[in-house]
Amino acid sequence: DTGVSQDPRHKITKRGQNVTFRCDPISEHNRLYWYRQTLGQGPEFLTYFQNEAQLEKSRLLSDRFSAERPKGSFSTLEIQRTEQGDSAMYLCASLDSYNEKLFFGSGTQLSVL
Amino acid sequence: DQQVKQNSPSLSVQEGRISILNCDYTNSMFDYFLWYKKYPAEGPTFLISISSIKDKNEDGRFTVFLNKSAKHLSLHIVPSQPGDSAVYFCAAENEKLTFGTGTRLTIIP
Repeated sequence: DTGVSQDPRHKITKRGQNVTFRCDPISEHNRLYWYRQTLGQGPEFLTYFQNEAQLEKSRLLSDRFSAERPKGSFSTLEIQRTEQGDSAMYLCASLDSYNEKLFFGSGTQLSVL
Repeated sequence: DQQVKQNSPSLSVQEGRISILNCDYTNSMFDYFLWYKKYPAEGPTFLISISSIKDKNEDGRFTVFLNKSAKHLSLHIVPSQPGDSAVYFCAAENEKLTFGTGTRLTIIP
């Protein structure tokens, strides 16, 4: 499978715990994005990387959130001290810069109890 | 500040008829527009796109129309099939994609 892979698919955690999600993009794609989607809304931009450089962060990304892409390949998104409002689907996508298509993974569904 | 708007949260269409999904945007800096389709528990999948220099792009049963002066785009699906039932997101690009809130399309057999 050469698509965008996200792990885990589902995460249930208690309020106050830390969680980390992983994304493996399509290997030849240099640009990687994180989005968040809540019920009834479209995906909302969180941050993106060009190779290992984090180029933009949304104001939605509070200081409890941190994303890394240390070697320009896979990326991790960590949420510290989770809150119930963090419950959402977290989507990762990588960009085929040749035709400007964004390919999404299946997402990580986070539930904070 | 919702820069990309899909004002119809849901749409039901008879199988074989035309489905028309609409999208409006406010930011004139957007230069590329895309439609994505999403099934439950899956990530969005790319459907069709259009550059701001064009007013129409067609791919099989799917056609996207862009009216820059009205800041409006639409997706036409004809003929509609039951497998088209999904949530459709319009998205606009300026370095990153900004998505609308989606329209749930239901095709009635």
